[in-house]
Amino acid sequence: KAGVTQTPRYLIKTRGQQVTLSCSPISGHRSVSWYQQTPGQGLQFLFEYFSETQRNKGNFPGRFSGRQFSNSRSEMNVSTLELGDSALYLCASTQRGITDTQYFGPGTRLTVL
Amino acid sequence: EDKVVQSPLSLVVHEGDTVTLNCSYEVTNFRSLLWYKQEKKAPTFLFMLTSSGIEKKSGRLSSILDKKELSSILNITATQTGDSAIYLCAVGKAYSGAGSYQLTFGKGTKLSVIP
Repeated sequence: KAGVTQTPRYLIKTRGQQVTLSCSPISGHRSVSWYQQTPGQGLQFLFEYFSETQRNKGNFPGRFSGRQFSNSRSEMNVSTLELGDSALYLCASTQRGITDTQYFGPGTRLTVL
Repeated sequence: EDKVVQSPLSLVVHEGDTVTLNCSYEVTNFRSLLWYKQEKKAPTFLFMLTSSGIEKKSGRLSSILDKKELSSILNITATQTGDSAIYLCAVGKAYSGAGSYQLTFGKGTKLSVIP
């Protein structure tokens, strides 16, 4: 089975711009979670989607949003980028979410200049 | 507020040594504890421990969950340079109303194995 894929792998943007990241889960997995990883804060939960519905959201500002499509692929969007948004963005998928192991994609490295 | 604390933050050992990494947690609605290994990019899954599976072993790696002490250890025996990585502990909690499942991560332990 193919693993979790994320595109693009690297992205450079300037402050004030917006960005969209994409995640394709493992085939058959319906839950997708997004995480932000920075050296100072470690891995922090952004949100989780299941069957096109956001079920849970972490403590991030409203500039961070996401959605999930009927084929379980998910996108996250960050508007009005700030320097502090520079991070590795990871998505993870599970079959249903509850007590399932989360498998991570390779991540998108976002740099904001 | 949920907390996952790992110790030590970094560790340097020689090849062949045995290491023990620690993870303690304070999480409501605990469902599982997971260990991941992160070398360059994506964390790769090692073990998941739950109330029904408190001990796991795979090759030179093993892990135990102590639900009474709210902690877990990850043991690596006969370490190799390929074990050099950041080891992440994550605790899964369920939101029964929403049916959601969220992982809270510790900051990780950076293990360096020198020849």
